[in-house]
Amino acid sequence: DAGVIQSPRHEVTEMGQEVTLRCKPISGHDYLFWYRQTMMRGLELLIYFNNNVPIDDSGMPEDRFSAKMPNASFSTLKIQPSEPRDSAVYFCASNGASTDTQYFGPGTRLTVL
Amino acid sequence: RKEVEQDPGPFNVPEGATVAFNCTYSNSASQSFFWYRQDCRKEPKLLMSVYSSGNEDGRFTAQLNRASQYISLLIRDSKLSDSATYLCVVSAGKSTFGDGTTLTVKP
Repeated sequence: DAGVIQSPRHEVTEMGQEVTLRCKPISGHDYLFWYRQTMMRGLELLIYFNNNVPIDDSGMPEDRFSAKMPNASFSTLKIQPSEPRDSAVYFCASNGASTDTQYFGPGTRLTVL
Repeated sequence: RKEVEQDPGPFNVPEGATVAFNCTYSNSASQSFFWYRQDCRKEPKLLMSVYSSGNEDGRFTAQLNRASQYISLLIRDSKLSDSATYLCVVSAGKSTFGDGTTLTVKP
């Protein structure tokens, strides 16, 4: 079975540009999570969805960040406009309804210059 | 105070050593507990779940103390390949990750 898939794996962009990160959860999983990881702040939960519906977006840092899940097999995290302090590794994770065990994708390493 | 707090580390131990990590949590309503392992520049991966009765998987033993609200991970006979960051995870519906403890096992 394929695990969680994220794209791109690496993104380098300039300040002010729009960035879109993509995630395909494990088939059949009802929950999808977006995390951001930095050395300074560790792993932070940004937002999570249940059955494609956003449940908790209290971790989204600013209005520049938005996330969507148009269907059960796809989600996006968008940053517009991007800033250098957004540089981090962004992970997507998913889990099934009967467990709290989350499976992480390989992450997108974002660098904003 | 953070919801989940871990030993700050780093832990540097020789091969064959026994090492223990502790983690405390503040939400008494927490129901699920895990240890994840994260290798450098990789994603976190589940190492083991933690049960009230304690559980063991080879050289790894996890314990949960609900009364004191802490979780522990014991690694016996450390291997070089155990070098990683170990993340404590506590869930009360929503999972909260600790900041991790870095372990380096040296020859």
